[in-house]
Amino acid sequence: EIVMTQSPATLSVSPGERATLSCRASQSVSGSLAWYQQKPGQTPRLLIYGASTRATGVPARFSGSGSGTEFTLTISSLQSEDFAVYYCQQYNRWPLTFGGGTKVEIK
Amino acid sequence: EVQLLESGGGLVQPGGSLRLSCAASGFTFSSFALTWVRQAPGKGLEWVSTISVSGDSTYYADSVKGRFTISRDNSKNTLYLQMTSLRAEDTALYYCAKDGVGWYYFDCWGQGTQVTVSS
Repeated sequence: EIVMTQSPATLSVSPGERATLSCRASQSVSGSLAWYQQKPGQTPRLLIYGASTRATGVPARFSGSGSGTEFTLTISSLQSEDFAVYYCQQYNRWPLTFGGGTKVEIK
Repeated sequence: EVQLLESGGGLVQPGGSLRLSCAASGFTFSSFALTWVRQAPGKGLEWVSTISVSGDSTYYADSVKGRFTISRDNSKNTLYLQMTSLRAEDTALYYCAKDGVGWYYFDCWGQGTQVTVSS
């Protein structure tokens, strides 16, 4: 099983600042990596797939990068609606696996 | 608009069974793989099972293999998850999700149905 490790567990950021979230895979997943956003009490929302392709309707301030085992989700200028939990997920190999999540909170 | 509506959750005793359904609309159901993902209270996301477009291929997490069965009815635009031998650790909100085109990420999620396993 490919273990996905996200860091940090919690990220405190002020509105307007940049946030950088990391996701590491225990073995290469090539570019088969997705990012999701989940706000409290809400359904997860796809942000990024293919490591760097934004899903439909996702603002340009969200960007994804990386390949192999190291991936990054960057939010260039945090808006109030971006405070949420973010999960990465690999779909290169069965079983599909998620990271434990990074909570982005208001500083 | 893509919509996924789960149903069938509830309170069940350990060892019991439950069948979840997910009614889909707004897309060509028979053209996409479908997945169940669960989230225990206060925890992260856990992939449970995926079924291919035709239903010929199914995949399961080790934690549910042999106990859960995923299926689909393309004539009814409905996805199912038959759950047996339920355990307390199966308690979670179960989401139905539509997979991306040709790849196993999830571009649309339902609101979820709660499953609680307790005596």
